[in-house]
Amino acid sequence: DGGITQSPKYLFRKEGQNVTLSCEQNLNHDAMYWYRQDPGQGLRLIYYSQIVNDFQKGDIAEGYSVSREKKESFPLTVTSAQKNPTAFYLCASSISPIGPTEAFFGQGTRLTVV
Amino acid sequence: GNSVTQMEGPVTLSEEAFLTINCTYTATGYPSLFWYVQYPGEGLQLLLKATKADDKGSNKGFEATYRKETTSFHLEKGSVQVSDSAVYFCALSDQGSNSGYALNFGKGTSLLVTP
Repeated sequence: DGGITQSPKYLFRKEGQNVTLSCEQNLNHDAMYWYRQDPGQGLRLIYYSQIVNDFQKGDIAEGYSVSREKKESFPLTVTSAQKNPTAFYLCASSISPIGPTEAFFGQGTRLTVV
Repeated sequence: GNSVTQMEGPVTLSEEAFLTINCTYTATGYPSLFWYVQYPGEGLQLLLKATKADDKGSNKGFEATYRKETTSFHLEKGSVQVSDSAVYFCALSDQGSNSGYALNFGKGTSLLVTP
């Protein structure tokens, strides 16, 4: 089955720690995205990548980092510089970064700072 | 810049009632428009889409028409079911100044359908 896999589903982080959220897709999509979801705020774009070895900051990139070393993988690191990391994180992919298109989403990772 | 505004919820309806969730947008180019649905604790699923003016997207009894003159993409369903209870997001894809063609979302509308 083709799709997007995010892991883990739940993640707990202590203050001051970095954590990495995994996102893998087997859809052969060029573009991948990370969104953050908070209650009542919809989805906000953190980072996106249009091609391997390239990525761009979205609207709320501060305190986050990404890499895109392989087409199918786009991990997100939440660093200790992110002041309020507790949220639901969603990874998505789309077939092409050129032109308007729908995105397909993973099941999300819920990160909680303890 | 690009933006999406949708009616705030929560919306509570009885089973078999008519549903409308309003969505308007601002875009600099020629966007494609989407409705996504999210069930509790899950990711987003594409519900329907429209890629140009006057297109009607439809799926599972839901419909939305791309109205360029009113910059709207309202979601409708003639008879809702309890299983339709979820959060609905309106979104657009257009060339953004700092986001490529990444989807730009509204804040979501929570729908609760009671028996």
